[in-house]
Order: sequence, then C-alpha cells, then structure tokens
Amino acid sequence: NAGVTQTPKFRVLKTGQSMTLLCAQDMNHEYMYWYRQDPGMGLRLIHYSVGEGTTAKGEVPDGYNVSRLKKQNFLLGLESAAPSQTSVYFCASRGGLAGNTGELFFGEGSRLTVL
Amino acid sequence: AQSVTQPDIHITVSEGASLELRCNYSYGATPYLFWYVQSPGQGLQLLLKYFSGDTLVQGIKGFEAEFKRSQSSFNLRKPSVHWSDAAEYFCAVGADYKLSFGAGTTVTVRA
Repeated sequence: NAGVTQTPKFRVLKTGQSMTLLCAQDMNHEYMYWYRQDPGMGLRLIHYSVGEGTTAKGEVPDGYNVSRLKKQNFLLGLESAAPSQTSVYFCASRGGLAGNTGELFFGEGSRLTVL
Repeated sequence: AQSVTQPDIHITVSEGASLELRCNYSYGATPYLFWYVQSPGQGLQLLLKYFSGDTLVQGIKGFEAEFKRSQSSFNLRKPSVHWSDAAEYFCAVGADYKLSFGAGTTVTVRA
C-alpha cells in the first residue's frame, strides 16, 4: 500500500551540483505535482503534469526541470543547485477523473540542503 | 489566479477548548476548497473539502468547515481540541487542475 513514494528522503548538496528527486505513485493517477515547503510560505507549486509526457510550470519553476516519461513517475531535477533551493520538497498525485475536486495524495517529503 | 490567505500564523489553545482557523480565498469562479493537516516530519493529509452543496462540511478527526461565499472564507473548526491536534494546518483552493496553498497555521495545544 505504497501510495506516493519519494526518493531520496534526505540529501545534502554543494552549490553547483546537480541531482534528481524521484516521485513514484502506484494509484494510476493522471496528475502529479512537485511543491516546495519553506517556513512561513506554505507550499508553493514548482511544476506539475496532467498526464504522461506533459509538464507545466507552477509558481516557482526557475532552477528546476521535470520529466514525466512514465505515468507513474515524476522526476524533479536541479541542474545547478543553489542555497536558495534548500527546502523540503513534496510530491503529490491526483486522479484525472476527479478534476479540480479530487484529493491530492502526498509523499512524505524530501529534505534537501544546499551548502 | 487563485490565492489563499491564512491570517493566523500561530494559535495556542487549551486541550478541550474549541478551535477556529481562518481562511480567506481569492478566485473569480466557483472555488474548490480544501483543508489539509501536517504533523511534524510528515506529508499532508486531507481533513475535508468543499466543492458544492451544503456549505457546512464535515471532515475527519471531528473537524468541520463552513464555506461563506459573501465573505470569501472557509474557516475550519473543532469543538473540543485533543493534544493530538497539534500540527500545522493548510487551507487550499483548487482551480485549473492545481492547488494553491496558504502559508499555514501552526496549532499548539497546552494541557
């Protein structure tokens, strides 16, 4: 009963390094999302996908890239990490038939520190 | 674009007392509204949602929320708080297949 799984859960990077966060969901959901959570700012949408092979920008997309090559996976990449990208990252998914009313299912988060 | 405001950053309440968390939204059309709860170190869990019908919505863990279109509000309430309700609470509005979240309200429960 996995739901939404994020890997890795913790990572420390040096400025300029690259990395990829993987999100996997086993609920056959159409929509997938990447958020970042920072103190006092709630969750801000980075990128999202409304189906396999599609991606779109959210509120704070700069410095990140994403790919949705398989329906169950949504990858978030940092090409050149910056200290401002230190955050907790959450992946979420939602069923397509539910449209705007459907519940988001969240992963447990990935804590990234950029030194 | 939609937006959400949670005016209270932090609320402290005594165990057994009532709790009300405020949420105001901005959206031109019919909003889809949600409340989520996050316990420390965890992901977010849905408490309740509203998208049509009765404006008083019941959720899990004894929470309820009331949608007031005239005030653009969707306040969350619980009649009697338990120590396990200490957490961070997020209001969110859904539109265009995305959810926009407020900054959150941290609830501390004192014995």
